[in-house]
Amino acid sequence: DTEVTQTPKHLVMGMTNKKSLKCEQHMGHRAMYWYKQKAKKPPELMFVYSYEKLSINESVPSRFSPECPNSSLLNLHLHALQPEDSALYLCASSQAQNRVDTQYFGPGTRLTVL
Amino acid sequence: SQQGEEDPQALSIQEGENATMNCSYKTSINNLQWYRQNSGRGLVHLILIRSNEREKHSGRLRVTLDTSKKSSSLLITASRAADTASYFCAPLDTGRRALTFGSGTRLQVQP
Repeated sequence: DTEVTQTPKHLVMGMTNKKSLKCEQHMGHRAMYWYKQKAKKPPELMFVYSYEKLSINESVPSRFSPECPNSSLLNLHLHALQPEDSALYLCASSQAQNRVDTQYFGPGTRLTVL
Repeated sequence: SQQGEEDPQALSIQEGENATMNCSYKTSINNLQWYRQNSGRGLVHLILIRSNEREKHSGRLRVTLDTSKKSSSLLITASRAADTASYFCAPLDTGRRALTFGSGTRLQVQP
């Protein structure tokens, strides 16, 4: 199984809401990633987890809070977002962070902040 | 941080023609990867070329790497309408443990 799943596919939220994005993989990968992608732009790295520990935080605002409950799951908790945070949020995984080889991406969550 | 710059930004060709996309980067790399993204979807890994390799093939894909010029190219031969997508290079520089994606080339293959 080489699939990364993400839920929900679409999310609309107000600026005062709290919501979570979920990502799951069952490939035994020990590195998991969150990316943000605006329209017609490349994905931008937000966070990297390696062996369930936060390894990289690309100076992301604290209204985005990642969590890695176990080696298969990655969450992104959202609170007090701004309209400019509307984007496609992509999750990815790879075997291990110290071997940055193939990354497997989920289909993304399309987030709209009103 | 490392980022590839891709050229052209957009490319429109007829089915059956070849498509070439170029990527330039700035510093020493460990490897360079190419990904495809269909509209609004996740990225799909196409091919990885290591810094000590000069050329690699996978099906209709051919990737070259010139570390002296800090550039790579992706050639798609005998293109199909299904190849319509955005293509991103992702150079992995030696000091970094995560990919940074280039600006991307939007390829349109007309049937």
